[in-house]
Amino acid sequence: SQKIEQNSEALNIQEGKTATLTCNYTNYSPAYLQWYRQDPGRGPVFLLLIRENEKEKRKERLKVTFDTTLKQSLFHITASQPADSATYLCALGDDKIIFGKGTRLHILP
Amino acid sequence: EPEVTQTPSHQVTQMGQEVILRCVPISNHLYFYWYRQILGQKVEFLVSFYNNEISEKSEIFDDQFSVERPDGSNFTLKIRSTKLEDSAMYFCASSDRVMRNSPLHFGNGTRLTVT
Repeated sequence: SQKIEQNSEALNIQEGKTATLTCNYTNYSPAYLQWYRQDPGRGPVFLLLIRENEKEKRKERLKVTFDTTLKQSLFHITASQPADSATYLCALGDDKIIFGKGTRLHILP
Repeated sequence: EPEVTQTPSHQVTQMGQEVILRCVPISNHLYFYWYRQILGQKVEFLVSFYNNEISEKSEIFDDQFSVERPDGSNFTLKIRSTKLEDSAMYFCASSDRVMRNSPLHFGNGTRLTVT
């Protein structure tokens, strides 16, 4: 069956450093992959989408990579700030978009 | 910026009762979704809806669940006979799907508590 795994349940990073989150998937051949942010008690908010023919995508301090051979996406936040603390979700699919369990990121001041 | 709105924000119901959760998607969006998130767990797909019919549904979305777009603006999720395990946050989302990979826009959810 199709699976999405996000490697860490929680990640603590010192403010100013780069946070790197991992998303691995199996039994999928996605044309694209999405990353979302979720704050406690709120709905997920879309951040970035990367297509299978794109190796890397950037938006301000965010960077996403997509390796379809490794079946993996990496999500980076550079110059991290306490306001970046949230749960980050990766998602795959078309009509049925499936989310990973997420990684809770804590940026320590 | 346009947003997806959900009402109520919190609903408490007794086991066996019917509940209807309401959503107003973004006005020019054509694809609609319901997800649920049990406390501390992942966001789980329930159903997607396009052109007045279900396009995909998960194993969770059994005969107790139904969706409807009763008019041009609302999108509802009905649970016919609630169980304790239906207690969760329910999120509505919409997408324009102008491109196949358009992102989802989520509401802030309805917290359903079944007692």
